[in-house]
Amino acid sequence: QLQLQESGPGLVKPSETLSLTCTVSGGSISSSSYYWGWIRQPPGKGLEWIGSIYYSGSTYYNPSLKSRVTISVDTSKNQFSLKLSSVTAADTAVYYCARDHIDYYGSGSEGMDVWGQGTTVTVSS
Amino acid sequence: DVVMTQSPLSLPVTLGQPASISCRSSQSLVYSDGNTYLNWFQQRPGQSPRRLIYKVSNWDSGVPDRFSGSGSGTDFTLKISRVEAEDVGVYYCMQGTHWPRTFGQGTKLEIK
Repeated sequence: QLQLQESGPGLVKPSETLSLTCTVSGGSISSSSYYWGWIRQPPGKGLEWIGSIYYSGSTYYNPSLKSRVTISVDTSKNQFSLKLSSVTAADTAVYYCARDHIDYYGSGSEGMDVWGQGTTVTVSS
Repeated sequence: DVVMTQSPLSLPVTLGQPASISCRSSQSLVYSDGNTYLNWFQQRPGQSPRRLIYKVSNWDSGVPDRFSGSGSGTDFTLKISRVEAEDVGVYYCMQGTHWPRTFGQGTKLEIK
């Protein structure tokens, strides 16, 4: 059974870069049927899609974060990663990695069918 | 961006009674291939979200058949035929037709 696990620092200082990694186990990240995505949830609030990556390296970002976000993939390690630069308190959230099911490359998204447990990142000095 | 608007935002329901959540999009969710990529998620307290329904009306494996999805174009509905205690949580719609992907604000279902 496919599992996703986020890892990274739980505390980041303002203006620094948040870095998280998602390790995929029980399946290959190099599948043509999925994007791999990051979603966050500020305390007590709803879900915000951050961005997605295809195993080939094609990326899609939320325009509201695009200038600060980089998502990358390492197929040899079956991992994908998130970097968010110049963080502020508004970036404090639970960050989830998830598998985003697609019909085919370039199709729409059938939604995230596998999620990690989430990791809490607090931005504070 | 496509704005997803859910209603109600709070939904108190008596056990065994039906419940309905509306989700409206600011643009049509019909993709160029004819599919409509509207998906529903459930987030129980303290848990990660879980996909319930994809492409308007398709159940995920293990989802009880008391859940159903319907709709077309810009207007969609998630229905629970008989609410059970385990259904407590927040429900989100999400559109996967347009970039960026966007979620509704969430509807909090609670037991009266």
